[in-house]
Amino acid sequence: AQTVTQSQPEMSVQEAETVTLSCTYDTSENNYYLFWYKQPPSRQMILVIRQEAYKQQNATENRFSVNFQKAAKSFSLKISDSQLGDTAMYFCAYRHISNFGNEKLTFGTGTRLTIIP
Amino acid sequence: DGGITQSPKYLFRKEGQNVTLSCEQNLNHDAMYWYRQDPGQGLRLIYYSQIVNDFQKGDIAEGYSVSREKKESFPLTVTSAQKNPTAFYLCASSIPPSNKQFFGPGTRLTVL
Repeated sequence: AQTVTQSQPEMSVQEAETVTLSCTYDTSENNYYLFWYKQPPSRQMILVIRQEAYKQQNATENRFSVNFQKAAKSFSLKISDSQLGDTAMYFCAYRHISNFGNEKLTFGTGTRLTIIP
Repeated sequence: DGGITQSPKYLFRKEGQNVTLSCEQNLNHDAMYWYRQDPGQGLRLIYYSQIVNDFQKGDIAEGYSVSREKKESFPLTVTSAQKNPTAFYLCASSIPPSNKQFFGPGTRLTVL
């Protein structure tokens, strides 16, 4: 079974600084997807970024980028120029690729990120 | 607007009662999912359905039941057999090939 580990329960950073959230996972699969989701105080889950394991290039979405190290099974999220609206719980998630196309996500326990004004 | 709706936002239940949480989507997604979130924990999968009239147990299905009679609807029933039902429940849906799951706003269930 796949497992996802987020070893940082809480982090805080000054506004405008850069912060990196860690995630490691365990799988025997070769093809899979990795995701970062954001859950603000409203508790709405919002997809931040997605990475396909077969792609060597790290995914980026504006201020958000990942460092995907497949051999090390590591998938960290970097937030540049952090903003107050980035304050939220961040969840790393894993999903393997199947022929059917719809498969469940396995989530880590989350990192609570606070941006300090 | 397209999206996923969950109702109610807050739900209170007495011990021994069954209760049904609603999840509706108008995204034309094939797959739908139910997750449970407890404090300090990530989301855990209860049930999922990849197509109408079919569903599979997730990691913590005991004490829950679902149905998928329509593509847009995936209600979750929390039965009296669920020992600790107080939690935040999230519904999601997805469609290949994007492999992205979109989430509803959630329902907070409290057992009195």
